Amino acid sequence: GDSVTQMEGPVTLSEEAFLTINCTYTATGYPSLFWYVQYPGEGLQLLLKATKADDKGSNKGFEATYRKETTSFHLEKGSVQVSDSAVYFCALFRTGNQFYFGTGTSLTVIP
Amino acid sequence: SAVISQKPSRDICQRGTSLTIQCQVDSQVTMMFWYRQQPGQSLTLIATANQGSEATYESGFVIDKFPISRPNLTFSTLTVSNMSPEDSSIYLCSVVKGGDTEAFFGQGTRLTVV
Repeated sequence: GDSVTQMEGPVTLSEEAFLTINCTYTATGYPSLFWYVQYPGEGLQLLLKATKADDKGSNKGFEATYRKETTSFHLEKGSVQVSDSAVYFCALFRTGNQFYFGTGTSLTVIP
Repeated sequence: SAVISQKPSRDICQRGTSLTIQCQVDSQVTMMFWYRQQPGQSLTLIATANQGSEATYESGFVIDKFPISRPNLTFSTLTVSNMSPEDSSIYLCSVVKGGDTEAFFGQGTRLTVV
């Protein structure tokens, strides 16, 4: 069945460091891929998405590229800020199906 | 987009009682889901709320424990019945609009059972 495997956390970085959170998936067909972010005490918010192979999703300095050949959707940011501290979830969705979420990666950015 | 109002935002309940959580969406949506998020964990799908028919439950979740209603395309409720401390968790409502692939989430209900 469909599944998402996400890099284990927690991750602690200094401000302005480079961030990578790995995500790989298993799915039949051609799912859409997502990164959601959950700030403390809040629900999940869509960070970025890609709906087909080679698409790049981007938002707030974060990027992820849909790599069908490696079944990956790694999240990157060139320079993290303290305000990026949150839990990040990789997810996939096939139309008419349900969302599958990774286990979440907690990021803490220290000044 | 879709704006979701989920109530209550938090509650502390006695074991053996039941709590009903409401999810109201500002527009009609195709799919509505209920998730549970235990502390430090990912989201676990409880069920898909179907408009006008019985919800579709995932393995490990049953209707007697988590009855769900969805009377129309903008509203759903989840009841956590006969609660025990193991039910302490965050419960999240999520929706997907027709023709879209993005999921929108409510703020969640933080439930503590004592």
